[in-house]
Amino acid sequence: EDKVVQSPLSLVVHEGDTVTLNCSYEVTNFRSLLWYKQEKKAPTFLFMLTSSGIEKKSGRLSSILDKKELFSILNITATQTGDSAVYLCAVEAHNTDKLIFGTGTRLQVFP
Amino acid sequence: KAGVTQTPRYLIKTRGQQVTLSCSPISGHRSVSWYQQTPGQGLQFLFEYFSETQRNKGNFPGRFSGRQFSNSRSEMNVSTLELGDSALYLCASSLAGRANYGYTFGSGTRLTVV
Repeated sequence: EDKVVQSPLSLVVHEGDTVTLNCSYEVTNFRSLLWYKQEKKAPTFLFMLTSSGIEKKSGRLSSILDKKELFSILNITATQTGDSAVYLCAVEAHNTDKLIFGTGTRLQVFP
Repeated sequence: KAGVTQTPRYLIKTRGQQVTLSCSPISGHRSVSWYQQTPGQGLQFLFEYFSETQRNKGNFPGRFSGRQFSNSRSEMNVSTLELGDSALYLCASSLAGRANYGYTFGSGTRLTVV
């Protein structure tokens, strides 16, 4: 059965810290991996990764995919209180019309 | 352009009742997917509609059903509600239902079954 596992489940840090969120997957016919940020209700898109070893970057956030070891990491540098959210990892497989989500990592950033 | 609109935002129902949730996708988007989000299970795929046809269905009982209209608006229905159906129901709008086209989520409907 296809599955996506995120770790840690929860993380508490202080402003300015750097955090690394992990996502491993076992999905048949992998097509892409996506990261979302969910602050209140609607998840908002962060990155889509399809190729191994190519880093995607947006400001203080970056992500990379390892298709050989079947995992991805999301890095956030110089964290701010506004980064507090649940970060969701999802995988899309070929020939499907759905995303398989992990249970998310809850990040809390304190001043 | 307007985002994804889900109504109602909150709903309280009693066990045994049925409920209908609505999702209006972004104009021009033809794919609508539905997900159930609970604290223990995360987001789980319910079904996806494209041009009024259900293309994929998740592992949920037959009490969960949906449909899509010609204007791409979608509804999902849950009959004979159980306490375990309490969850945030999210819909995602996409041009064609593939990640490279992008998925935009609505703010969800929070359903509480008492």
